[in-house]
Amino acid sequence: RKEVEQDPGPFNVPEGATVAFNCTYSNSASQSFFWYRQDCRKEPKLLMSVYSSGNEDGRFTAQLNRASQYISLLIRDSKLSDSATYLCVVSGGADGLTFGKGTHLIIQP
Amino acid sequence: DTGVSQDPRHKITKRGQNVTFRCDPISEHNRLYWYRQTLGQGPEFLTYFQNEAQLEKSRLLSDRFSAERPKGSFSTLEIQRTEQGDSAMYLCASSSPGNNEKLFFGSGTQLSVL
Repeated sequence: RKEVEQDPGPFNVPEGATVAFNCTYSNSASQSFFWYRQDCRKEPKLLMSVYSSGNEDGRFTAQLNRASQYISLLIRDSKLSDSATYLCVVSGGADGLTFGKGTHLIIQP
Repeated sequence: DTGVSQDPRHKITKRGQNVTFRCDPISEHNRLYWYRQTLGQGPEFLTYFQNEAQLEKSRLLSDRFSAERPKGSFSTLEIQRTEQGDSAMYLCASSSPGNNEKLFFGSGTQLSVL
């Protein structure tokens, strides 16, 4: 089982819709969780940290389910500018931060 | 620009040649990371430094790869005897002492080995 697994997509979503994707992780000892955003041919940038109690930043909500070992990202009222690859990142492994392959999101007008 | 900078942005080389990349982290950041990313994949950890000490190396880092951070500031990543499989984006990131898990990435060096 891969350390961090994501559905690669692409997710094609109409503008204004709500979209959610999950990420599962294998290391139950993982302590910290993040979502990074990566635009085409650009570097990854931190979108938000994921806390045990769940957290919200504007249109974005991240949640953690330790029992089932997954984290989720919900985007409400999606914008064209949300089109990107969303990388799930988990810490606590031998190599520090482990990145998933990313989920490709395309917001269509 | 006070972000992480990498040089060069692009490198095309012939198989068997040596290449060296440079990364300048954000000035007050003590940790510096090297990642490799290929198309359709997430960044894969290669190595990281805390100040000048190289604390972790991935099993992906074969003996053809070497990284240095001699004065705890900029870092270099050298690949000797390049192979076509080395073609990838090499990303550098840094983090601050107070928030080691928040990484700031540079724009990367795209390596193409012909």
